[in-house]
Amino acid sequence: DAGVTQSPTHLIKTRGQQVTLRCSPKSGHDTVSWYQQALGQGPQFIFQYYEEEERQRGNFPDRFSGHQFPNYSSELNVNALLLGDSALYLCASSARQGIYNSPLHFGNGTRLTVT
Amino acid sequence: EDQVTQSPEALRLQEGESSSLNCSYTVSGLRGLFWYRQDPGKGPEFLFTLYSAGEEKEKERLKATLTKKESFLHITAPKPEDSATYLCAGSGGSNYKLTFGKGTLLTVNP
Repeated sequence: DAGVTQSPTHLIKTRGQQVTLRCSPKSGHDTVSWYQQALGQGPQFIFQYYEEEERQRGNFPDRFSGHQFPNYSSELNVNALLLGDSALYLCASSARQGIYNSPLHFGNGTRLTVT
Repeated sequence: EDQVTQSPEALRLQEGESSSLNCSYTVSGLRGLFWYRQDPGKGPEFLFTLYSAGEEKEKERLKATLTKKESFLHITAPKPEDSATYLCAGSGGSNYKLTFGKGTLLTVNP
């Protein structure tokens, strides 16, 4: 049973560039959330997708956008990269049942470095 | 705004030395309090969900408890392989997001 998979595992980009991160949810899960984790901090919620729509968004600028596909996989796009965007980007999936308290299952993340 | 605070930031134990990690939360309309374990370079691994004050859950050497303001993760006779960062998170009201604390870095020395 495959868990949450993310690609790529590491990425180095230059300030001002754009990046796309990808996520495949755990089998049987239909909801995908994205989190940003800076070094030494807890994960911060970016947004959640369900039925191909953004259901809730955290306090992140419009430079952060996403998409969910019919097969439930998801992408996170970040435009006009800043040095402060350097972080571990985590994708998490969950099942809709028990929507407010369904445990999230995380992938191992994409380490983004902006130089 | 929801807040989750964990203490201590770091804890160093000898193998077999039991202790507890604390998670204080202010989450409006708490629907679930979650504990995760995170190893270096990995994503968080789900441990427990607690739903109401007084609830307890156990898994091997770990036991999580919940009150109306705090949650504790008790570690009994820890082993070096229990070394990791332990994260606490809450979800409440109509929020789909989890609000995480900064975590407690646990080191268990042999």
